[in-house]
Amino acid sequence: DGGITQSPKYLFRKEGQNVTLSCEQNLNHDAMYWYRQDPGQGLRLIYYSQIVNDFQKGDIAEGYSVSREKKESFPLTVTSAQKNPTAFYLCASSTGLAGDSYNEQFFGPGTRLTVL
Amino acid sequence: LAKTTQPISMDSYEGQEVNITCSHNNIATNDYITWYQQFPSQGPRFIIQGYKTKVTNEVASLFIPADRKSSTLSLPRVSLSDTAVYYCLVGLDNNAGNMLTFGGGTRLMVKP
Repeated sequence: DGGITQSPKYLFRKEGQNVTLSCEQNLNHDAMYWYRQDPGQGLRLIYYSQIVNDFQKGDIAEGYSVSREKKESFPLTVTSAQKNPTAFYLCASSTGLAGDSYNEQFFGPGTRLTVL
Repeated sequence: LAKTTQPISMDSYEGQEVNITCSHNNIATNDYITWYQQFPSQGPRFIIQGYKTKVTNEVASLFIPADRKSSTLSLPRVSLSDTAVYYCLVGLDNNAGNMLTFGGGTRLMVKP
């Protein structure tokens, strides 16, 4: 089955610790994205990547870092510099950069991060 | 900076047709309009996409006027399971390439 996976589903960390969220896709998609969603709010773009070894900041990149060493993987690190890291994090992928033409984004199930 | 404007919430009853309108005054020539549906604690899923006039698939229709500054998602005969948040997205040009912005979405509540 092709799809996009995120792990873990729930994650708890102590304040001040860095934490890395996993995102893997086997859809052979070039573009990948990370979004953050707070309760009752829409999605906000953190980072996106159009191709391996390249990524761009989204609207709220401060306190986050990413890497794209492989086409299939786009891990997100939430650093201690992120002031309010508790949120629902969603990863997505698409064949090309979504919005330009017919490039549907496929979303993973999300990771709910709680910082204690 | 908000790029799309949708109603925050809407209520409907089972069996009714629901129309959700999105304003996107700054839409660029090459931008497509895409709608997604999201259930609680899940990732959004694609519903429909269009460029102009009307697009219809098995779940919805999308109406886009000639000036493309707005679009309307139409859900025929909604059921309780259509209760969700609906997002309108428009591709945007910037120096780094096209980028999508999810606004706050429209919370649709379907009642029995």
